[in-house]
Amino acid sequence: AQSVTQLGSHVSVSEGALVLLRCNYSSSVPPYLFWYVQYPNQGLQLLLKYTTGATLVKGINGFEAEFKKSETSFHLTKPSAHMSDAAEYYCAVRAPGGDSWGKLQFGAGTQVVVTP
Amino acid sequence: SAVISQKPSRDICQRGTSLTIQCQVDSQVTMMFWYRQQPGQSLTLIATANQGSEATYESGFVIDKFPISRPNLTFSTLTVSNMSPEDSSIYLCSVWTSGAHEQYFGPGTRLTVT
Repeated sequence: AQSVTQLGSHVSVSEGALVLLRCNYSSSVPPYLFWYVQYPNQGLQLLLKYTTGATLVKGINGFEAEFKKSETSFHLTKPSAHMSDAAEYYCAVRAPGGDSWGKLQFGAGTQVVVTP
Repeated sequence: SAVISQKPSRDICQRGTSLTIQCQVDSQVTMMFWYRQQPGQSLTLIATANQGSEATYESGFVIDKFPISRPNLTFSTLTVSNMSPEDSSIYLCSVWTSGAHEQYFGPGTRLTVT
């Protein structure tokens, strides 16, 4: 079984400052990891993913995340926040193989507020 | 990628009635999923809907309450039966693209039960 913990339900950042959203997972096997963003009254948009290979993955809108197996983490960062980054962010994990395809376990979410 | 549409986008329903939500994908996919997002909460998987087989429900969800159809590789429906206010949620359709190892979500159906 796998689970996801997002540290901090709310994060406030100044425009232009670093955005750091923390995600830790537990999984009995190497997981597939995802970050999604949800803007108000909209569905989920895939920001980036880690499956195998390079541990630093780049996504859309200037976001990137690093898979650290030793720390069981997949933190999301963006060097410079923009007002349009204000949204809810979800980290998700799925176990590869078997009947787990498409079955994502989501974290509780982190709401990002960007202040001028 | 996959483009997913859902109907209706929102609805307000009375207690005890049922609502059927439609999900249409712009390409053929093997695996479709239905998730629920309760107000202010994260997403929870309701069931997996594969074409040609019975839907598989997660713990806490039953077929009598959430019957699902999957008549072909681009379409699925989820029915929320005998609704109560506790069913007020956003219901999202999702597909897994095996080639890209990516999961996409529809825009969701916002359901309010009064």
